[in-house]
Amino acid sequence: GENVEQHPSTLSVQEGDSAVIKCTYSDSASNYFPWYKQELGKRPQLIIDIRSNVGEKKDQRIAVTLNKTAKHFSLHITETQPEDSAVYFCAASWGGSNYKLTFGKGTLLTVNP
Amino acid sequence: DAGVTQSPTHLIKTRGQQVTLRCSPKSGHDTVSWYQQALGQGPQFIFQYYEEEERQRGNFPDRFSGHQFPNYSSELNVNALLLGDSALYLCASSEGYEQYFGPGTRLTVT
Repeated sequence: GENVEQHPSTLSVQEGDSAVIKCTYSDSASNYFPWYKQELGKRPQLIIDIRSNVGEKKDQRIAVTLNKTAKHFSLHITETQPEDSAVYFCAASWGGSNYKLTFGKGTLLTVNP
Repeated sequence: DAGVTQSPTHLIKTRGQQVTLRCSPKSGHDTVSWYQQALGQGPQFIFQYYEEEERQRGNFPDRFSGHQFPNYSSELNVNALLLGDSALYLCASSEGYEQYFGPGTRLTVT
């Protein structure tokens, strides 16, 4: 079945440094890859997403890259700030829009001031 | 414009009981998906409703059932509760690729 693996499970960086979280997926038919940020006790919040016809997408300090050949995608956060501290989840879906999401297990990012 | 809302916020039930959780989608969204999030894990897909019918289903037993109403709101029902059903239940609404989550219902089974 579908499988999404996410690494690392925890990541600690100094404020101002960059953070990178990586995910791999199993099904080459996957075509949509969102990233969610979940703060403690709150809902997962969609922060950026990418479709399979695009290799990279940026939104201010956040970027996502996709390598379809290797079946992996990554989240890049630059100039990290303490408020970036949260659990980040990658996900993948295959099929049309509105298709179910399969999530990775999450990465706890801690940004130290 | 209200986002996705869920009720109740917290719920405590006893093994064997039944529970109903509710979700109202974001305005303009016609599809509701339900996910179960165990502590320290990513959300796991339960099922999805569109046009009042179950369109997709994850690997969950028949004890988990749902419904979607004409106004697109949805319910998740779980029968014969087990201790392992304790989790955060999230609903997400969508109208395309992007899924937006509600705040969740924290279910504790004792």
